[in-house]
Amino acid sequence: DGGITQSPKYLFRKEGQNVTLSCEQNLNHDAMYWYRQDPGQGLRLIYYSQIVNDFQKGDIAEGYSVSREKKESFPLTVTSAQKNPTAFYLCASSAGPSSGANVLTFGAGSRLTVL
Amino acid sequence: DAKTTQPNSMESNEEEPVHLPCNHSTISGTDYIHWYRQLPSQGPEYVIHGLTSNVNNRMASLAIAEDRKSSTLILHRATLRDAAVYYCILSLYNQGGKLIFGQGTELSVKP
Repeated sequence: DGGITQSPKYLFRKEGQNVTLSCEQNLNHDAMYWYRQDPGQGLRLIYYSQIVNDFQKGDIAEGYSVSREKKESFPLTVTSAQKNPTAFYLCASSAGPSSGANVLTFGAGSRLTVL
Repeated sequence: DAKTTQPNSMESNEEEPVHLPCNHSTISGTDYIHWYRQLPSQGPEYVIHGLTSNVNNRMASLAIAEDRKSSTLILHRATLRDAAVYYCILSLYNQGGKLIFGQGTELSVKP
């Protein structure tokens, strides 16, 4: 079945450590996105990529980095510069804005806790 | 960025229709209106989208005002499984289809 796979589902990190969250899709989608969600809040856009080897900052990119070397993969690194990294991280993909509506398909999420 | 405004919470009775409102007064002519819903600790699920005309699918209906400054998601017969946070968002055409989520409406369904 086509879909988005995020791993790990749960991750614990010590302060000062970088951590990388994986996102893989087999939907042949051009665009991929990372969102962050805090308890009781909506989703905030971290980074997005509309094509391989290109990505743009979202609203809260500070302390995060991404790469898009393959169409299927869009990993997110939470660096030690991120002041409050404990959150639920969601990856999504879409056919891209050229498809018109740009409907998103989401992964199941990764919950990061900083100890 | 174009914003949407929704009530924080709504209640419904099981098997009754539910109308979830959304205001998007700064929408531009090429922005699509999307609705997603999210259960706790899960990724959001696509519900429906539209541009100008009303839309129906197996999950819901979307009614779009003539001036496009508001829309309403209609669940025709609410079930307990419809209890979720519902997000009304815009796909910003002039920003590469970027989707900005707001706070959403938490829908509770009473048996």
